[in-house]
Amino acid sequence: EAQVTQNPRYLITVTGKKLTVTCSQNMNHEYMSWYRQDPGLGLRQIYYSMNVEVTDKGDVPEGYKVSRKEKRNFPLILESPSPNQTSLYFCASSTNINPNTEAFFGQGTRLTVV
Amino acid sequence: KQEVTQIPAALSVPEGENLVLNCSFTDSAIYNLQWFRQDPGKGLTSLLLIQSSQREQTSGRLNASLDKSSGRSTLYIAASQPGDSATYLCAVRKYSSASKIIFGSGTRLSIRP
Repeated sequence: EAQVTQNPRYLITVTGKKLTVTCSQNMNHEYMSWYRQDPGLGLRQIYYSMNVEVTDKGDVPEGYKVSRKEKRNFPLILESPSPNQTSLYFCASSTNINPNTEAFFGQGTRLTVV
Repeated sequence: KQEVTQIPAALSVPEGENLVLNCSFTDSAIYNLQWFRQDPGKGLTSLLLIQSSQREQTSGRLNASLDKSSGRSTLYIAASQPGDSATYLCAVRKYSSASKIIFGSGTRLSIRP
C-alpha cells in the first residue's frame, strides 16, 4: 500500500530538548516536504526536498532542520524546540517526474512544546 | 502570489442534502488541484485530484470540477451523511513552483442528523 508514515503521532516535550520527527514513503518519490498546520494560519511549508541531498527552505523554516540522505526518508529536526513550535506537522511526498500527479500526506504529528 | 480561498469557512446542513463547497485561486497556471478531507486533529485524506487538462473528477458521491480560466473549483457532495462532517481543504500546485502545494484555509462541514 502506498503510504507516507510519520513517527511519532503525538509528542510532548520540553523547551530546548532536541527532537526528530521521522517521515518515510514507500513510493520512490523524489519530492518530499514538511508542513505545519496552525489554527487561523492554515498549512504552511517548512522545508522541501526535490531529491536526495537536495533540500530548500519553505515559508517558515526558522527553528527547523531537515536532511535527505536517502530517497525514502525525510526527517524533521528541531534542535531547540520552543513553545511557538507547538503545532500539527505533516509530511508529504510526490513524484517530480510528473508534478501533475497526486501528493500523498502522512497522518500528522501533534507536537506540544512546554 | 498564489492564493487559495475557500468560502464559506463553515457550513451546516441537514442530512440528505446535496451541497457544494467552493475553492478559488488567483493564478491559473497550475498543474493540478487536489481536494482533501481532514477530521478534527487528524491527517489529510486525499479525495480527488483534478489535473489542469481535466474539467472534473468523480468518486462515489463526490464530484469535483475545475475551471482554470475563472480560477474556480467546486466539490459537490451528494446525499450528505453525518459521516461527511469534516473540514475540506483544496490545494493547488503551480507551474512556477512545483515545490510547494498551496492550501486554502478549508471549509468546516457539519451534517446534522
